[in-house]
Amino acid sequence: DTAVSQTPKYLVTQMGNDKSIKCEQNLGHDTMYWYKQDSKKFLKIMFSYNNKELIINETVPNRFSPKSPDKAHLNLHINSLELGDSAVYFCASSQDGLGQETQYFGPGTRLLVL
Amino acid sequence: GNSVTQMEGPVTLSEEAFLTINCTYTATGYPSLFWYVQYPGEGLQLLLKATKADDKGSNKGFEATYRKETTSFHLEKGSVQVSDSAVYFCALSDPYNFNKFYFGSGTKLNVKP
Repeated sequence: DTAVSQTPKYLVTQMGNDKSIKCEQNLGHDTMYWYKQDSKKFLKIMFSYNNKELIINETVPNRFSPKSPDKAHLNLHINSLELGDSAVYFCASSQDGLGQETQYFGPGTRLLVL
Repeated sequence: GNSVTQMEGPVTLSEEAFLTINCTYTATGYPSLFWYVQYPGEGLQLLLKATKADDKGSNKGFEATYRKETTSFHLEKGSVQVSDSAVYFCALSDPYNFNKFYFGSGTKLNVKP
């Protein structure tokens, strides 16, 4: 069983469209994250949720809206996609968000905006 | 603020060579430090970690020691294998905001047979 899964794995879309990426973890973790990895492999945190509550929102444009229906799921919706949104988006989870524990990453969603 | 700086890659080594990937950090307080590895087409996996000064993290022959005096967490391995080819990320957790992690830009390692 995959610990952290993301769908879709690849996403190719036109500028201006709206798209969603789904993430699920079956580890029983309390905390989930979204990261963006750019073409130079630089990884930056976008959001963090703990028990469905938003904890971190890292100056991400309002076009990005995370939603956590329960603590096992953290979805990312992106409105009005722009060329600069092209990147790999990683979902991750950790046990309780206390900073010392391991984060478990999903396989990533490769988003290409044309 | 908090930040992580890694040596730029790619690093190219022959099999059985000694590996060092440098990582230095800037942080207020005492962060936890991590090394993650990313194989092609996959997500990141924890390689090792250290949660306080002078701790040594180790896994699969890799080691790194938390050096508070030099604010460093360099990754080392005595004898690399082709299967170690990947991108390595140094990271820290914000000691005052545990849900926040900072990653370095990654160092690509290529190991030739």
